[in-house]
Amino acid sequence: GIQVEQSPPDLILQEGANSTLRCNFSDSVNNLQWFHQNPWGQLINLFYIPSGTKQNGRLSATTVATERYSLLYISSSQTTDSGVYFCAVEYSKTSYDKVIFGPGTSLSVIP
Amino acid sequence: EPEVTQTPSHQVTQMGQEVILRCVPISNHLYFYWYRQILGQKVEFLVSFYNNEISEKSEIFDDQFSVERPDGSNFTLKIRSTKLEDSAMYFCASTGRGFTDTQYFGPGTRLTVL
Repeated sequence: GIQVEQSPPDLILQEGANSTLRCNFSDSVNNLQWFHQNPWGQLINLFYIPSGTKQNGRLSATTVATERYSLLYISSSQTTDSGVYFCAVEYSKTSYDKVIFGPGTSLSVIP
Repeated sequence: EPEVTQTPSHQVTQMGQEVILRCVPISNHLYFYWYRQILGQKVEFLVSFYNNEISEKSEIFDDQFSVERPDGSNFTLKIRSTKLEDSAMYFCASTGRGFTDTQYFGPGTRLTVL
C-alpha cells in the first residue's frame, strides 16, 4: 500500500516566524488534503490540493503530484496555529485504505 | 454557521457491549465519513457513505462495524461487540461533493472500552 510521511514530526516556533511542513507519499494519489487539529482536538480542513498552489490568508499549500510531495506554508505564525497538521491522501490502487493520513506534524507557537 | 454535531461526547462501555455513536451532518451535505483517532496517534479513515450506501471502507471497518442513515438527519456508527482496542476518539465528517470538497468535522465522541 501507499506510505504517507510528514516532516518534521515536531516543530517549535516563535510567534511571527514562518514555517514549511512537508508531506511525502510513495505512490500517485487521486486527491490530497491538509488538516489542522487544534489543541482541543477539533479537526479543521485547510486545503483540498491534489496539485498546484492555493492560498488562504497566512496559509498556503503546494502539491507537486509528479514528485509525490505537498508543502504547507505558515507565515507570520500565531499561537492559535498550534496543534497537529495532517495531510491525507485519497488512493485508489487497493480495495481498502482509500484515505490515508500521515502521522502529523505537531506545531507549537510560543509568544 | 452550520456545523456537524456528535453525541454523546463521551461514551464508556464494557468490553463486548454494543455502542451506537450518533452524528448529525450539515443538512445539505451528501457525503458522510467516520474517522477514528487512538489517543496520541494519527487519524484513521473508517468509512465513507453516499446515497444510502457505503462507498469506501478501510481494513479497520470489519464486520463489527456498521453505519446507517436511519432518517434524513442522523448518521450512525455501530460497533457490535466492543474491544479494548476500540477505545478512541471517533469523528464524523460531511461534505457536499466528496473528498474533493471541504470536510466539516464534528467535535468527536470519545469511546472508552473497559
